[in-house]
Amino acid sequence: GQQLNQSPQSMFIQEGEDVSMNCTSSSIFNTWLWYKQDPGEGPVLLIALYKAGELTSNGRLTAQFGITRKDSFLNISASIPSDVGIYFCAGQLSGSARQLTFGSGTQLTVLP
Amino acid sequence: GAVVSQHPSRVICKSGTSVKIECRSLDFQATTMFWYRQFPKQSLMLMATSNEGSKATYEQGVEKDKFLINHASLTLSTLTVTSAHPEDSSFYICSAPGAGRETQYFGPGTRLLVL
Repeated sequence: GQQLNQSPQSMFIQEGEDVSMNCTSSSIFNTWLWYKQDPGEGPVLLIALYKAGELTSNGRLTAQFGITRKDSFLNISASIPSDVGIYFCAGQLSGSARQLTFGSGTQLTVLP
Repeated sequence: GAVVSQHPSRVICKSGTSVKIECRSLDFQATTMFWYRQFPKQSLMLMATSNEGSKATYEQGVEKDKFLINHASLTLSTLTVTSAHPEDSSFYICSAPGAGRETQYFGPGTRLLVL
């Protein structure tokens, strides 16, 4: 199936640093979502974006829906050890009955 | 928020046996559920869309006779991996759409290991 291009693939950062990751697609999406997955668990929704240009925050997390509808980024400010995990972007096409297409993931490691 | 459960959380089986994985929406109804497969260090790949009361829709490359899906009620979908082989070892995750704008709630996943 189709996948989104997500980068970077992995990141090693110091505790307290800010993090940025992004996703791009050749297709237009009506909804962009960002999930976090801990080892051995299912993804947990972090932020949902429904309008082009929308900028949404959830605590230390901020995400934006690109104006072209083909990209999105996620920023994490002042990282903490529990931010460790894999972050996935996901896009939802119009008329797809909420079917999601996932990015390849960004493995985040926070060093103390 | 809405909760989706999966059972079992992990299963080890011998090659050639069949394994059934259940996905339940605990406090909401789901006419549609999705089944994903995730190999180590890879993303979630959609396998099929489970439709209550009708046949499942499979993604290209997914064998419908090998991965049997039954959506018998508005809160339960099952995935049966028939004649499992070691290459079927993976993390299987289901999801169900919520009633509101939030798109999907994911189950905790089932780790399958075929020996």
